[in-house]
Amino acid sequence: DTEVTQTPKHLVMGMTNKKSLKCEQHMGHRAMYWYKQKAKKPPELMFVYSYEKLSINESVPSRFSPECPNSSLLNLHLHALQPEDSALYLCASRSTGTYTYNEQFFGPGTRLTVL
Amino acid sequence: KQEVTQIPAALSVPEGENLVLNCSFTDSAIYNLQWFRQDPGKGLTSLLLIQSSQREQTSGRLNASLDKSSGRSTLYIAASQPGDSATYLCLKGGYQKVTFGTGTKLQVIP
Repeated sequence: DTEVTQTPKHLVMGMTNKKSLKCEQHMGHRAMYWYKQKAKKPPELMFVYSYEKLSINESVPSRFSPECPNSSLLNLHLHALQPEDSALYLCASRSTGTYTYNEQFFGPGTRLTVL
Repeated sequence: KQEVTQIPAALSVPEGENLVLNCSFTDSAIYNLQWFRQDPGKGLTSLLLIQSSQREQTSGRLNASLDKSSGRSTLYIAASQPGDSATYLCLKGGYQKVTFGTGTKLQVIP
C-alpha cells in the first residue's frame, strides 16, 4: 500500500472556527510533511515530523498547529484562520532509510476555503 | 535562502515531440532530486527520483538526469502525448529540508 490519505477533501470554515485536517499512511514511513499550495504556485513546506517529533517549522503562524499522535497519523489543527490561508494543503510521507534519502509520497490534498 | 528554478515556466508543443524540462538550484548540498506531475486541483504524482550518487533514472518515456556540479536536473519526455499535459515540479531534497522548483506548465496539443 503506497497511499497517503487526507481528510476531508474540501473544507469551508469561518475565521472564528476551529477545524482539523487529517493525514494517514500505513507504509511505515517515519517522516511526514505538511505543505501549503496557493493557486499557480509550487507547494511551500510548513512542517516536518521525524519519528513523531517536530523537526522543522518554517516560521508558520501559530494559528496552524501540527500534531503527530503516532507514526501513521498527522494532524493539522486550524484556529482563527484568515482568508489568505485559503489553499490546497498537502501531506506527504517518506521512509527514513539509513543511506538513501527516499522519495516522498503525497496525498491528494485538502482544499481549504476560509470565509 | 535556497532557490530552485524551472525553465521554461510554460511550454506548448505538438503531440509526438520530444521535450526537455529544466530544474536549476543554487545550493549544491543535495540528497536527491524528485520529479512530479500535478494535474489541476490535484495532488502530486511522483515520476522519478534520482539519488545524489546517481546520474540518471529512466521510467518508460521519461528520463531524468542530475548534474550536481552545475546545479541542474533535466526531465526528458519522449514522444509527448496529450495525456502528458500537466504542471511538472522538481523537488530538491536536503537532509530534512526540501524545496520545490517553480514549476513548468506543459500543454501537448493533439
